[in-house]
Amino acid sequence: QQQVKQSPQSLIVQKGGISIINCAYENTAFDYFPWYQQFPGKGPALLIAIRPDVSEKKEGRFTISFNKSAKQFSLHIMDSQPGDSATYFCAARPGTSYGKLTFGQGTILTVHP
Amino acid sequence: DGGITQSPKYLFRKEGQNVTLSCEQNLNHDAMYWYRQDPGQGLRLIYYSQIVNDFQKGDIAEGYSVSREKKESFPLTVTSAQKNPTAFYLCASSIRAAPYEQYFGPGTRLTVT
Repeated sequence: QQQVKQSPQSLIVQKGGISIINCAYENTAFDYFPWYQQFPGKGPALLIAIRPDVSEKKEGRFTISFNKSAKQFSLHIMDSQPGDSATYFCAARPGTSYGKLTFGQGTILTVHP
Repeated sequence: DGGITQSPKYLFRKEGQNVTLSCEQNLNHDAMYWYRQDPGQGLRLIYYSQIVNDFQKGDIAEGYSVSREKKESFPLTVTSAQKNPTAFYLCASSIRAAPYEQYFGPGTRLTVT
């Protein structure tokens, strides 16, 4: 019940295209859903996050869509660029558990020029 | 520059030896975390500390130990009891008011042979 399932495992997109990464969860106690971006050999960095009372959040080319009834959320990267090539992790936090983020398995995104 | 420092970047040890990974932050964050990253498995929480002299086990604490004697430092010891210690280890920190917004260090890649 604590798991966050992320798909796809890897994704190849052409420059200018839309990258879509999906996550699903079971635990209804999750109350915060961040996305992290990780470049090779580096630590992850917080990219964007959403709470379940909002259905969509947009920051620049990055958008999180949240479907509370389906217990799913997704990251959309518009106008994908080669510099976006990285591993993306979704995560979720139970409201009752301080700081304990549960991470998805990660998606390796490659954007071809 | 404010940030999280992990040293060394690469660490090699013989099986049966304990090894301590360093994590230092100058962000004045109260909370600190240790994660383990394995290919295809996302990030898994080992230990976390909300305040000096206090820490809690995460999801995979067996074979690991930590201390939090100073706010800035949260070293992780990988003991010989850890059955599969070879991995990429990430340290993170956060402010108490926003434990879900975690800032990660660059990581230490530990190889045990």
